[in-house]
Amino acid sequence: GAGVSQSPRYKVAKRGQDVALRCDPISGHVSLFWYQQALGQGPEFLTYFQNEAQLDKSGLPSDRFFAERPEGSVSTLKIQRTQQEDSAVYLCASSLVRWPGTTQINYGYTFGSGTRLTVV
Amino acid sequence: KQEVTQIPAALSVPEGENLVLNCSFTDSAIYNLQWFRQDPGKGLTSLLLIQSSQREQTSGRLNASLDKSSGRSTLYIAASQPGDSATYLCAVRPTRTSGSRLTFGEGTQLTVNP
Repeated sequence: GAGVSQSPRYKVAKRGQDVALRCDPISGHVSLFWYQQALGQGPEFLTYFQNEAQLDKSGLPSDRFFAERPEGSVSTLKIQRTQQEDSAVYLCASSLVRWPGTTQINYGYTFGSGTRLTVV
Repeated sequence: KQEVTQIPAALSVPEGENLVLNCSFTDSAIYNLQWFRQDPGKGLTSLLLIQSSQREQTSGRLNASLDKSSGRSTLYIAASQPGDSATYLCAVRPTRTSGSRLTFGEGTQLTVNP
């Protein structure tokens, strides 16, 4: 597609409920990222995929958070047993370049509109 | 650990003013720096991307500069308009870590008054 698409746009979950957030990156983009943005803050890194491989998940706040990208395109961020502190906007971004220092031109990151999760 | 700071946190100006937003980062080993705009309830829109080897980038009324050695970047907005009202975020991409994560500042909330 022309941009990064995220769904749903808004999600209200009861505490303890499991949620799944979807990201459709730009076609052909190798890298995919998930970020969490709390109200009034800048986005914080959660996890990074290169194609289907999850190369960095050091930003995931707990083992209740799980992300996958099984075919190297669409990605799902799953949060189990949601808690109120999980309330945030979850942003997905994709990028063409794999690593710094490659011969590919760096196109930077393209972000989706995000999913606003509210846990009540 | 890379830290990114944006000053001021909020800025309110009358329409037509030229203004400067500041971004500083603690680790100069960056691959690039990117400025984003975020409207309320929306995602991030990329404004300008500056590679580490570049000094500045321009797009329309926007000009971003980068001084990697001093760990600073500025975003200059000329002849501001009410439609420029948004939160502006800067983010750096590192060279040293194995991932490609961006580190963001907390943003500058800009209000341009008609």
